[in-house]
Amino acid sequence: DAKTTQPPSMDCAEGRAANLPCNHSTISGNEYVYWYRQIHSQGPQYIIHGLKNNETNEMASLIITEDRKSSTLILPHATLRDTAVYYCIVRVFYRDDKIIFGKGTRLHILP
Amino acid sequence: DADVTQTPRNRITKTGKRIMLECSQTKGHDRMYWYRQDPGLGLQLIYYSFDVKDINKGEISDGYSVSRQAQAKFSLSLESAIPNQTALYFCATSDLRQDTQYFGPGTRLTVL
Repeated sequence: DAKTTQPPSMDCAEGRAANLPCNHSTISGNEYVYWYRQIHSQGPQYIIHGLKNNETNEMASLIITEDRKSSTLILPHATLRDTAVYYCIVRVFYRDDKIIFGKGTRLHILP
Repeated sequence: DADVTQTPRNRITKTGKRIMLECSQTKGHDRMYWYRQDPGLGLQLIYYSFDVKDINKGEISDGYSVSRQAQAKFSLSLESAIPNQTALYFCATSDLRQDTQYFGPGTRLTVL
């Protein structure tokens, strides 16, 4: 799996959009970008994934650059409940073993 | 996620004791996983299972064993617990159609 780089922490004001960047410059053509988050020692929660097109679901939007070397997770209207560690993961779709979780970005939502 | 349950949620034990952590799921997924998380660090894979007859070692399987009793149940055992196995343990299941994993609430294990 390609390596990812994320800032260790970020702040965002409540109600504003939270934009979490991820660098994955060595991504391969068959690797997807996944985002999970972990809220204070709870089990990680799947957020979204994509290959090359931008994706949106009820939780977030994923913007992948045209060269696929970086991506941004967008939480459109951050709330205090979005305070968590966010993990950007690159892996082959249907890969049949583990998810490699790095250290992620600790997002603080400020009231 | 209530579809994946873990018992116990918290456990304190002593060095040398045998302990079992249990995981049950109602999602109907074939694939199940055990992860360990140390404070401030990411998750490390201990064991994973693709079906009842398939068990695979992960990154840190030494000192651990697993049992897949049924599609819905996957247990993790520490044969002789040691203090550096103090950690948060997560069970997860996998939805192949979307290649996403669903995690349980975790078991906080302390080995004294």
